[in-house]
Amino acid sequence: QQQVRQSPQSLTVWEGETAILNCSYEDSTFNYFPWYQQFPGEGPALLISIRSVSDKKEDGRFTIFFNKREKKLSLHITDSQPGDSATYFCAAITGNTGKLIFGLGTTLQVQP
Amino acid sequence: AQTIHQWPVAEIKAVGSPLSLGCTIKGKSSPNLYWYWQATGGTLQQLFYSITVGQVESVVQLNLSASRPKDDQFILSTEKLLLSHSGFYLCAWSLDWGGAEQYFGPGTRLTVL
Repeated sequence: QQQVRQSPQSLTVWEGETAILNCSYEDSTFNYFPWYQQFPGEGPALLISIRSVSDKKEDGRFTIFFNKREKKLSLHITDSQPGDSATYFCAAITGNTGKLIFGLGTTLQVQP
Repeated sequence: AQTIHQWPVAEIKAVGSPLSLGCTIKGKSSPNLYWYWQATGGTLQQLFYSITVGQVESVVQLNLSASRPKDDQFILSTEKLLLSHSGFYLCAWSLDWGGAEQYFGPGTRLTVL
């Protein structure tokens, strides 16, 4: 059973549009949620993260919205650029375990 | 600035042959280290983690082993490769005990034939 779910599996937007990537989880003990961006053939890079005590985290064009009650998050990428085309992974972790649980990823394609 | 190096960049190996992959972290003292495996087009699965020299914890059993011979080095190995070992192996590090913020290396692409 996938503990961290992501949707859609793939997403195509036009340059300048806002891309919305969704994530949900089962385990209520998860309290930290990083998002990773991965380009083909490269290791994933930490993009932005949020702790469960917050409901929003913003970093430039990237914003995480977090709904603890519904166990849902979303990553909004505003003014999408072709260079944002990549696979985005939502992950979750509980306390001090060190064990990051990853979703299956959303592949984003930004068309110029 | 910290750097993470993985070697080799890519390997093509025969089923039943041995394997050793390496990871080195520079610029950080006593990091927590992790090994992940990623199938082609798939998600990341944590295999091992280590919080100190000589200590390694296994997260999943995939007929692989890991060792931490030095503070800045993490080794993944097996004596007999399986076809299912093919994939992308990633080393990661974190500074905090909880391992929440993990930073990944460039990865090693392994093809088992």
